[in-house]
Order: sequence, then structure tokens, then C-alpha cells
Amino acid sequence: SQKIEQNSEALNIQEGKTATLTCNYTNYSPAYLQWYRQDPGRGPVFLLLIRENEKEKRKERLKVTFDTTLKQSLFHITASQPADSATYLCALDPPPGNLIFGKGTKLSVKP
Amino acid sequence: KAGVTQTPRYLIKTRGQQVTLSCSPISGHRSVSWYQQTPGQGLQFLFEYFSETQRNKGNFPGRFSGRQFSNSRSEMNVSTLELGDSALYLCASTLWASRAGANVLTFGAGSRLTVL
Repeated sequence: SQKIEQNSEALNIQEGKTATLTCNYTNYSPAYLQWYRQDPGRGPVFLLLIRENEKEKRKERLKVTFDTTLKQSLFHITASQPADSATYLCALDPPPGNLIFGKGTKLSVKP
Repeated sequence: KAGVTQTPRYLIKTRGQQVTLSCSPISGHRSVSWYQQTPGQGLQFLFEYFSETQRNKGNFPGRFSGRQFSNSRSEMNVSTLELGDSALYLCASTLWASRAGANVLTFGAGSRLTVL
């Protein structure tokens, strides 16, 4: 069955640094991969979607890469701020549909 | 426009009881998906409804069921509650039924169920 892993349960970094989160998957090569942000007591919020033929995608301070050979996606937050502290989830988007989520990485950005 | 609304936000039940959770999707969205979130297992897909029909179902026992009404509102029910059913139950809506590459979900805030 499909397996998706986010390597770190938690990541602590200093404000202003770049946070890099990793998402690995096995057994299947999805055409799409998504990243969500979840704050305590709230549902996940969609951030970015990347297609397999898009090696990199950017949105403001966010950057996502997708390496289908390594079966890995990297999620970067540049110039991180304390307000970026949250849990970040990656999700595979395989046919026929219904997303498969990783367990998430809890990011803490210290001032 | 209003987001996805889930009720109740918090509830406490005892083992053996049953519970019904409600979800109102974004206006115009016709697909509703349900996920269970626990610290150990993360987000796990329960089922998806589109136009009042269950389209997909995750690997959960038959105690977990759902339905969708003609106005796209959805309910999920868990019967004979077990301690392990304690979780955050999340509902998400999309405009259309799930298909590859088009499944950007808008989630509600969830219903936190505690089973004692």
C-alpha cells in the first residue's frame, strides 16, 4: 500500500533562517503532491500543489520541490518568522482521488 | 463566503454510545470528505460523498458510516464507540468529486471527540 513519511516530527529553527521539511513516499508515483498547514485546534489549510512535471514551485516565501526519482518533496520557508510556527502536512494526490496525508512536521520558529 | 462548518466542535461520550457529527460544506461545493486525525496515525481518510452517493471509502470498520443530503450537507455516525475512536474528525469540501490532481481540500475546524 502507499506509504508517505515526513522525516521529522518536530523541527526547531531560529527566526530568519530557512526551514526545510521533507516528505518521502513509497510504492507509487503520484502525479501531484500537496502541502497543507495546520494550526492547533484548526483544520489543515492548503498551501501549494506541485505537479510531477514541475520540479519546483514558489509562492511568496514558500518553495516546494518534487523529485519523482527520489520519491521526495522538500518544502522550504525562507526568512522564517514565529508566525510560521505550525504543523505542516504533505499529501499525495493519487488517482482515483482522495488524498493520502503524512503525519506532519511541527515547526517551531524561535525569535 | 462562509467556510466549512462542523458541529459540534467538542463532545464527550462513553464507550458503547453512538455519535453523529455534522458538516456543512462551502456553498456550491458538492463533494464532502471525512478524515480522522489522531496523534499516532495522523490524518486517515474515512469516506467521500458526492451528490448524495458514497464514492470512496477508507479502511475503517462498519461502525463508521455517513450520508449526504440533497443540499450537500453531510453527517457521519460512529456506533458502539470505543476508546480508540477518540480523535479529531475533520470534514473537507471540494467543488467536484475527487479526481487526480484536482483534490484541493477546504477543511472545517473539526469535531473533537473524546470517548471515556
